[in-house]
Amino acid sequence: DAKTTQPTSMDCAEGRAANLPCNHSTISGNEYVYWYRQIHSQGPQYIIHGLKNNETNEMASLIITEDRKSSTLILPHATLRDTAVYYCIVRVAEYGNKLVFGAGTILRVKS
Amino acid sequence: NAGVTQTPKFRVLKTGQSMTLLCAQDMNHEYMYWYRQDPGMGLRLIHYSVGEGTTAKGEVPDGYNVSRLKKQNFLLGLESAAPSQTSVYFCASSFSPNTEAFFGQGTRLTVV
Repeated sequence: DAKTTQPTSMDCAEGRAANLPCNHSTISGNEYVYWYRQIHSQGPQYIIHGLKNNETNEMASLIITEDRKSSTLILPHATLRDTAVYYCIVRVAEYGNKLVFGAGTILRVKS
Repeated sequence: NAGVTQTPKFRVLKTGQSMTLLCAQDMNHEYMYWYRQDPGMGLRLIHYSVGEGTTAKGEVPDGYNVSRLKKQNFLLGLESAAPSQTSVYFCASSFSPNTEAFFGQGTRLTVV
């Protein structure tokens, strides 16, 4: 029941910006968009989240379109350690506001 | 500040054995979750809790029980393990429904 669509994989050159797109056309007005990443089999790591406005923190920026049907995660200067599976997630208002994980995007950062 | 700690990290069980997975968080979070991750299936919610003394079923609760006697701990129990429960189990916690959730490092369980 994932509510997001992401490309299966992407490549990015080390030091360049990585732009990861996500479609969430059925998102409801009060549902937040979250981004997590998972490196190897470690626990998912929180990156950023937002509702309507663009957000920025020390890791990344999140750009949400005005109609909220899509968003883009931006890693401004990708490094080899950013190679991971990136999940765009809508936090639905059921099951204690569970995080609904889809298949994610495999980001490969190459030197 | 340890965040979310899961115990044990690895375990091999024989079919029919029981075990308890422990999740401990030191962030005073109200919400706690147990997920399982299987190849090609993503993370699926097993059970969750919205506060001390409360538990509720998630999407795939069969074969599991949980308890939240203390706010900082969320226990996941397998009463009679089955090979279908071979998986990686992740615990997560968050302060409120719309704040970031933090995950533990996982428990890799194999049932033979």
